[in-house]
Amino acid sequence: SQQGEEDPQALSIQEGENATMNCSYKTSINNLQWYRQNSGRGLVHLILIRSNEREKHSGRLRVTLDTSKKSSSLLITASRAADTASYFCATNNAGNMLTFGGGTRLMVKP
Amino acid sequence: NAGVMQNPRHLVRRRGQEARLRCSPMKGHSHVYWYRQLPEEGLKFMVYLQKENIIDESGMPKERFSAEFPKEGPSILRIQQVVRGDSAAYFCASSLLDRQGETQYFGPGTRLLVL
Repeated sequence: SQQGEEDPQALSIQEGENATMNCSYKTSINNLQWYRQNSGRGLVHLILIRSNEREKHSGRLRVTLDTSKKSSSLLITASRAADTASYFCATNNAGNMLTFGGGTRLMVKP
Repeated sequence: NAGVMQNPRHLVRRRGQEARLRCSPMKGHSHVYWYRQLPEEGLKFMVYLQKENIIDESGMPKERFSAEFPKEGPSILRIQQVVRGDSAAYFCASSLLDRQGETQYFGPGTRLLVL
């Protein structure tokens, strides 16, 4: 099974609402990253949180990390239709290779 | 400053043919990673290469798949005798350094369809 598993698998919200996506992983990590993928496109790096950090912000994004529960969450505030995409967490535990979860497909309705 | 480039963007092959996927990393990047994405799934690591060296191929199928990153030119992922199960999107990423947490920049992917 994959190192990272996102929850929910799909999320549909109205523009302006907040979107929360969760990620759980199994082994110890050095850092956890969140990526975004628009349909049919490559991945775009959003944010990285290190294992000794608990929370990080970047614009409308807020990421938390709980190493005791081996989980992370990505919060997108005041969502926009342009935020519609798939969001993946990825862990980095050996070398620089990334282990991805299955993704959350977010749809933001205008 | 061009990003990671991959070509072709779409590739159709019949069973038994060979597929060659190319990746040109960002300028100055010497670390290349290949990932495969099946429909509705996340990306799975395949292989990590530096110039003229395969560093980690733990995610690569043992047969029919090979990768190289020559001193000059793009990195190549080669799939011989393709089967329908090889249909997927193949993404290449590059990074400046190989330390943990170094941002990987992804290309747009090559979508392989095996008929």
